[in-house]
Amino acid sequence: ETGVTQTPRHLVMGMTNKKSLKCEQHLGHNAMYWYKQSAKKPLELMFVYNFKEQTENNSVPSRFSPECPNSSHLFLHLHTLQPEDSALYLCASSQGQESYEQYFGPGTRLTVT
Amino acid sequence: AQSVTQPDIHITVSEGASLELRCNYSYGATPYLFWYVQSPGQGLQLLLKYFSGDTLVQGIKGFEAEFKRSQSSFNLRKPSVHWSDAAEYFCAVGAGNYGQNFVFGPGTRLSVLP
Repeated sequence: ETGVTQTPRHLVMGMTNKKSLKCEQHLGHNAMYWYKQSAKKPLELMFVYNFKEQTENNSVPSRFSPECPNSSHLFLHLHTLQPEDSALYLCASSQGQESYEQYFGPGTRLTVT
Repeated sequence: AQSVTQPDIHITVSEGASLELRCNYSYGATPYLFWYVQSPGQGLQLLLKYFSGDTLVQGIKGFEAEFKRSQSSFNLRKPSVHWSDAAEYFCAVGAGNYGQNFVFGPGTRLSVLP
């Protein structure tokens, strides 16, 4: 059973809206991740936070803005998205050093209209 | 840079039959290897992992995988498939201190015939 929760599970937004995705992990982990999963494409790592510090930003457009206020919470702020941003957004966490496996939340299904 | 290939996009097996899902990776050092499963509308669940040691690793739900360095492979196997195993399976390779170089394969969709 996953110790990573994500809200909302489904989100429909217009291209001019601003919304946020939330992720919370209850596993005591130190690292958190955002992934994008589109149809017919491999999972794409978007952002990595370790001990609240961003350590990876894989050339993600600025219309996606992450925030990690503490090791348990991760947000993805969305604004002026495009229809091609419609996807399943997955959050994951891991212990960090010496323990690499990542535990995933159920995802947020985002539709941009 | 790491890369992962899963040659089979879609596999169909009959319930009770054996299963092998293929995974090949490219990485310059000893990789950390993982298999995940994703049911429709759900996140990914870790099936098993390989870091070092015994090259045959056991996971949950009766799955196992074997690391073969000479073939750069980490194939997933199950001796007898159950209908509930129908899902998408992802192989992944990780590197770096905090897994920031986690790379997933494209996935293999498994269908199970009754």
